[in-house]
Amino acid sequence: KQEVTQIPAALSVPEGENLVLNCSFTDSAIYNLQWFRQDPGKGLTSLLLIQSSQREQTSGRLNASLDKSSGRSTLYIAASQPGDSATYLCAVGGYGQNFVFGPGTRLSVLP
Amino acid sequence: NAGVTQTPKFRVLKTGQSMTLLCAQDMNHEYMYWYRQDPGMGLRLIHYSVGEGTTAKGEVPDGYNVSRLKKQNFLLGLESAAPSQTSVYFCASSYPSDRGLSNQPQHFGDGTRLSIL
Repeated sequence: KQEVTQIPAALSVPEGENLVLNCSFTDSAIYNLQWFRQDPGKGLTSLLLIQSSQREQTSGRLNASLDKSSGRSTLYIAASQPGDSATYLCAVGGYGQNFVFGPGTRLSVLP
Repeated sequence: NAGVTQTPKFRVLKTGQSMTLLCAQDMNHEYMYWYRQDPGMGLRLIHYSVGEGTTAKGEVPDGYNVSRLKKQNFLLGLESAAPSQTSVYFCASSYPSDRGLSNQPQHFGDGTRLSIL
Protein backbone atom coordinates (compact mmCIF):
# COMPACT_ATOMS: atom_id res chain seq x y z
CA LYS A 1 0.00 0.00 0.00
CA GLN A 2 1.38 3.40 -1.00
CA GLU A 3 2.30 5.69 1.88
CA VAL A 4 3.18 9.35 1.45
CA THR A 5 5.01 11.45 4.02
CA GLN A 6 5.99 15.10 4.09
CA ILE A 7 8.70 16.46 6.33
CA PRO A 8 8.74 18.91 8.02
CA ALA A 9 5.14 19.28 9.13
CA ALA A 10 5.66 23.03 9.49
CA LEU A 11 8.25 25.49 8.24
CA SER A 12 8.79 29.19 8.94
CA VAL A 13 11.17 31.29 6.82
CA PRO A 14 11.87 35.00 6.32
CA GLU A 15 10.69 36.65 3.14
CA GLY A 16 13.04 36.33 0.19
CA GLU A 17 14.49 32.95 1.08
CA ASN A 18 14.60 30.08 -1.37
CA LEU A 19 13.12 26.94 0.17
CA VAL A 20 12.52 23.26 -0.50
CA LEU A 21 9.55 21.15 0.57
CA ASN A 22 9.93 17.38 0.62
CA CYS A 23 7.59 14.53 -0.28
CA SER A 24 8.47 10.84 0.10
CA PHE A 25 6.57 7.79 -1.08
CA THR A 26 7.08 4.09 -0.45
CA ASP A 27 6.07 2.51 -3.78
CA SER A 28 8.08 3.75 -6.76
CA ALA A 29 5.60 2.31 -9.30
CA ILE A 30 3.76 5.59 -9.68
CA TYR A 31 1.96 7.16 -12.62
CA ASN A 32 2.36 10.79 -11.64
CA LEU A 33 2.77 13.14 -8.69
CA GLN A 34 0.87 16.34 -8.04
CA TRP A 35 1.65 19.27 -5.75
CA PHE A 36 -1.23 21.26 -4.28
CA ARG A 37 -1.56 24.44 -2.27
CA GLN A 38 -4.24 24.77 0.41
CA ASP A 39 -5.08 28.11 1.99
CA PRO A 40 -6.81 28.18 5.41
CA GLY A 41 -10.48 27.36 5.07
CA LYS A 42 -10.15 26.65 1.37
CA GLY A 43 -9.89 23.71 -0.94
CA LEU A 44 -6.84 22.45 -2.78
CA THR A 45 -5.38 24.28 -5.76
CA SER A 46 -3.23 22.29 -8.15
CA LEU A 47 0.25 23.76 -8.63
CA LEU A 48 2.19 21.22 -10.68
CA LEU A 49 1.58 17.72 -12.05
CA ILE A 50 4.64 15.63 -12.95
CA GLN A 51 4.23 12.51 -15.05
CA SER A 52 6.38 9.51 -14.10
CA SER A 53 8.43 9.94 -17.29
CA GLN A 54 9.39 13.50 -16.35
CA ARG A 55 12.11 14.66 -13.97
CA GLU A 56 10.78 18.13 -13.23
CA GLN A 57 8.14 20.75 -13.92
CA THR A 58 8.34 24.51 -13.55
CA SER A 59 5.71 27.19 -13.09
CA GLY A 60 6.90 30.70 -12.30
CA ARG A 61 8.84 30.63 -9.04
CA LEU A 62 7.94 26.98 -8.43
CA ASN A 63 9.96 23.99 -9.54
CA ALA A 64 8.99 20.41 -8.72
CA SER A 65 11.34 17.50 -9.22
CA LEU A 66 10.67 13.77 -9.18
CA ASP A 67 13.05 10.91 -8.44
CA LYS A 68 11.02 7.71 -8.68
CA SER A 69 13.89 5.38 -7.83
CA SER A 70 14.45 7.04 -4.47
CA GLY A 71 10.76 7.68 -3.83
CA ARG A 72 11.14 11.42 -3.49
CA SER A 73 9.81 14.66 -4.86
CA THR A 74 10.79 18.19 -3.93
CA LEU A 75 8.99 21.49 -4.43
CA TYR A 76 11.39 24.40 -4.73
CA ILE A 77 10.04 27.91 -4.11
CA ALA A 78 12.30 30.74 -5.16
CA ALA A 79 12.34 34.16 -3.51
CA SER A 80 9.53 33.33 -1.09
CA GLN A 81 6.83 35.92 -0.37
CA PRO A 82 4.29 36.26 2.47
CA GLY A 83 1.60 35.35 -0.06
CA ASP A 84 3.22 31.91 -0.38
CA SER A 85 2.11 31.11 3.18
CA ALA A 86 -0.17 28.07 2.96
CA THR A 87 -0.15 24.31 3.40
CA TYR A 88 1.48 22.40 0.57
CA LEU A 89 0.39 18.85 -0.13
CA CYS A 90 1.76 16.26 -2.49
CA ALA A 91 -0.33 13.47 -3.94
CA VAL A 92 0.98 10.35 -5.65
CA GLY A 93 -0.98 8.72 -8.46
CA GLY A 94 -0.75 4.99 -9.00
CA TYR A 95 -1.76 2.93 -12.02
CA GLY A 96 -5.48 2.32 -11.87
CA GLN A 97 -5.68 3.98 -8.48
CA ASN A 98 -6.64 7.33 -7.04
CA PHE A 99 -4.15 9.80 -5.64
CA VAL A 100 -2.63 9.04 -2.22
CA PHE A 101 -2.15 12.31 -0.36
CA GLY A 102 0.55 13.31 2.07
CA PRO A 103 -0.35 15.16 5.30
CA GLY A 104 1.12 18.45 4.07
CA THR A 105 3.74 20.99 5.12
CA ARG A 106 2.45 24.23 6.63
CA LEU A 107 4.60 27.09 5.34
CA SER A 108 4.80 30.53 6.94
CA VAL A 109 6.77 33.24 5.15
CA LEU A 110 7.48 36.11 7.51
CA PRO A 111 7.67 39.69 6.18
CA ASN B 1 -17.39 30.15 -13.63
CA ALA B 2 -17.96 28.73 -10.13
CA GLY B 3 -16.00 25.47 -10.55
CA VAL B 4 -16.86 23.12 -7.68
CA THR B 5 -19.38 24.37 -5.11
CA GLN B 6 -20.09 22.65 -1.81
CA THR B 7 -23.04 23.30 0.49
CA PRO B 8 -23.26 23.81 3.38
CA LYS B 9 -19.90 25.29 4.41
CA PHE B 10 -20.36 24.51 8.10
CA ARG B 11 -22.65 22.21 10.06
CA VAL B 12 -22.98 20.91 13.59
CA LEU B 13 -24.88 17.70 14.18
CA LYS B 14 -25.79 15.60 17.16
CA THR B 15 -24.86 11.93 17.24
CA GLY B 16 -27.43 9.88 15.38
CA GLN B 17 -28.71 12.70 13.17
CA SER B 18 -28.60 12.46 9.41
CA MET B 19 -27.64 14.95 6.76
CA THR B 20 -26.66 15.32 3.12
CA LEU B 21 -23.73 17.27 1.72
CA LEU B 22 -24.17 18.63 -1.78
CA CYS B 23 -21.48 19.06 -4.41
CA ALA B 24 -22.11 20.78 -7.73
CA GLN B 25 -19.68 21.30 -10.59
CA ASP B 26 -20.12 23.34 -13.76
CA MET B 27 -17.10 22.05 -15.71
CA ASN B 28 -18.93 19.11 -17.33
CA HIS B 29 -16.58 16.67 -15.58
CA GLU B 30 -17.41 12.98 -15.71
CA TYR B 31 -15.58 12.00 -12.52
CA MET B 32 -16.48 13.25 -9.05
CA TYR B 33 -15.01 12.41 -5.65
CA TRP B 34 -15.70 12.84 -1.95
CA TYR B 35 -12.76 13.08 0.48
CA ARG B 36 -12.36 13.69 4.16
CA GLN B 37 -9.42 15.56 5.67
CA ASP B 38 -8.39 15.01 9.27
CA PRO B 39 -5.56 16.72 11.20
CA GLY B 40 -2.14 15.21 10.50
CA MET B 41 -3.48 12.95 7.78
CA GLY B 42 -3.72 13.26 4.05
CA LEU B 43 -7.03 13.42 2.26
CA ARG B 44 -8.76 10.04 2.16
CA LEU B 45 -11.20 9.03 -0.55
CA ILE B 46 -14.67 8.11 0.71
CA HIS B 47 -16.61 7.42 -2.49
CA TYR B 48 -16.29 8.39 -6.11
CA SER B 49 -18.28 8.35 -9.33
CA VAL B 50 -17.10 7.88 -12.90
CA GLY B 51 -20.38 9.00 -14.43
CA GLU B 52 -24.04 9.79 -13.91
CA GLY B 53 -25.80 6.95 -12.14
CA THR B 54 -22.57 5.21 -11.04
CA THR B 55 -20.79 5.22 -7.67
CA ALA B 56 -17.96 3.24 -6.12
CA LYS B 57 -16.31 2.86 -2.71
CA GLY B 58 -13.05 4.52 -1.87
CA GLU B 59 -10.67 3.98 1.02
CA VAL B 60 -13.03 4.88 3.91
CA PRO B 61 -16.65 4.32 2.78
CA ASP B 62 -18.21 2.99 6.00
CA GLY B 63 -20.98 5.16 7.43
CA TYR B 64 -21.48 7.12 4.19
CA ASN B 65 -23.68 6.78 1.14
CA VAL B 66 -23.57 8.68 -2.13
CA SER B 67 -25.72 9.33 -5.17
CA ARG B 68 -25.02 10.77 -8.62
CA LEU B 69 -28.45 11.29 -10.18
CA LYS B 70 -27.27 14.18 -12.34
CA LYS B 71 -23.86 14.58 -13.95
CA GLN B 72 -23.21 17.91 -12.28
CA ASN B 73 -24.18 16.84 -8.74
CA PHE B 74 -22.68 14.40 -6.27
CA LEU B 75 -24.35 13.94 -2.88
CA LEU B 76 -22.76 12.54 0.27
CA GLY B 77 -25.10 11.26 2.98
CA LEU B 78 -24.56 10.43 6.62
CA GLU B 79 -27.46 8.26 7.79
CA SER B 80 -26.56 8.19 11.50
CA ALA B 81 -23.76 10.62 12.32
CA ALA B 82 -21.01 9.56 14.74
CA PRO B 83 -18.34 11.71 16.44
CA SER B 84 -15.68 9.88 14.38
CA GLN B 85 -17.18 11.53 11.31
CA THR B 86 -16.19 14.99 12.54
CA SER B 87 -13.98 16.20 9.71
CA VAL B 88 -13.61 18.54 6.78
CA TYR B 89 -15.20 17.09 3.66
CA PHE B 90 -13.99 17.97 0.19
CA CYS B 91 -15.58 17.32 -3.13
CA ALA B 92 -13.53 17.20 -6.33
CA SER B 93 -14.13 16.60 -10.00
CA SER B 94 -12.04 15.75 -13.05
CA TYR B 95 -12.18 14.75 -16.68
CA PRO B 96 -12.31 11.02 -17.41
CA SER B 97 -9.34 8.85 -18.13
CA ASP B 98 -8.85 5.31 -19.34
CA ARG B 99 -5.78 5.06 -17.12
CA GLY B 100 -7.37 5.33 -13.71
CA LEU B 101 -8.54 8.02 -11.35
CA SER B 102 -5.22 9.83 -10.95
CA ASN B 103 -4.48 10.49 -14.61
CA GLN B 104 -6.25 13.85 -14.68
CA PRO B 105 -5.90 16.87 -12.37
CA GLN B 106 -8.67 17.10 -9.82
CA HIS B 107 -10.48 20.36 -9.05
CA PHE B 108 -11.60 20.89 -5.46
CA GLY B 109 -14.37 22.75 -3.69
CA ASP B 110 -13.75 24.81 -0.55
CA GLY B 111 -14.92 22.11 1.83
CA THR B 112 -17.66 21.49 4.39
CA ARG B 113 -16.64 21.62 8.04
CA LEU B 114 -18.75 19.11 9.92
CA SER B 115 -18.80 18.63 13.70
CA ILE B 116 -20.64 15.75 15.34
CA LEU B 117 -21.36 16.24 19.04
